[in-house]
Amino acid sequence: QVRLVESGGTVVQPGTSLRLSCAASGFTFNSYAVHWLRQAPGKGLEWVAVISKDGRGDYYVDSVTGRFTISRDTYKSTVYLQMHSLRPDDAGVYYCARDQGRISMRGYFDHWGQGTLVTISS
Amino acid sequence: SYGLTQPPSVSVAPGKTATITCGGHNLGSKSVHWYKQMPGQAPLLVIYYDGERPSGVPERISGSNSGNTATLTISRVEPGDEADYYCQVWDNNHGHSWVFGGGTTLTVL
Repeated sequence: QVRLVESGGTVVQPGTSLRLSCAASGFTFNSYAVHWLRQAPGKGLEWVAVISKDGRGDYYVDSVTGRFTISRDTYKSTVYLQMHSLRPDDAGVYYCARDQGRISMRGYFDHWGQGTLVTISS
Repeated sequence: SYGLTQPPSVSVAPGKTATITCGGHNLGSKSVHWYKQMPGQAPLLVIYYDGERPSGVPERISGSNSGNTATLTISRVEPGDEADYYCQVWDNNHGHSWVFGGGTTLTVL
């Protein structure tokens, strides 16, 4: 079955960097784009970034553009989110999710990981 | 950026019908997807492309989309339906962007 497992969340200080990982299994990794989304404590869902199935295209929400980078490793079936200059409003649970739709990267999220918690604290 | 508006909360008695709305400008021209999120858990897709159900989602959960409003309808509500529900669209007016409504908490009385 499709499985997405996030890791890397921890407590960090403002201004520092952190890399999250999303290990995928149970499907043909190269056939799907993968997203990162987040949820601040007690708040709603926010889309953060997406990487195309071939890794050549990526998009970001404005608030992280220039600070976050999404990448993927085909051999490890893993997607990464490299985060720099972390701010208090970057805190929350980060989910990775598989892209699905009639056209790649224009649809919805059909499978989600369980999430990894990022805490920003000085 | 494109905005989606949901009521913060909806309450319904067991066995009755719950209706959760999602509003947006000319929303009927977009495809709307819905997610259910129970406390402490990851979101779960319950409706895609306005009214399609993934396998495993019961038929009593349905969706529609027209004009400026999309609607998630849950018939014969059960205690297990109590959760937060989010609508979502893909928007390309400012590049690629995936937009969520603020979420609606469904309470089963």
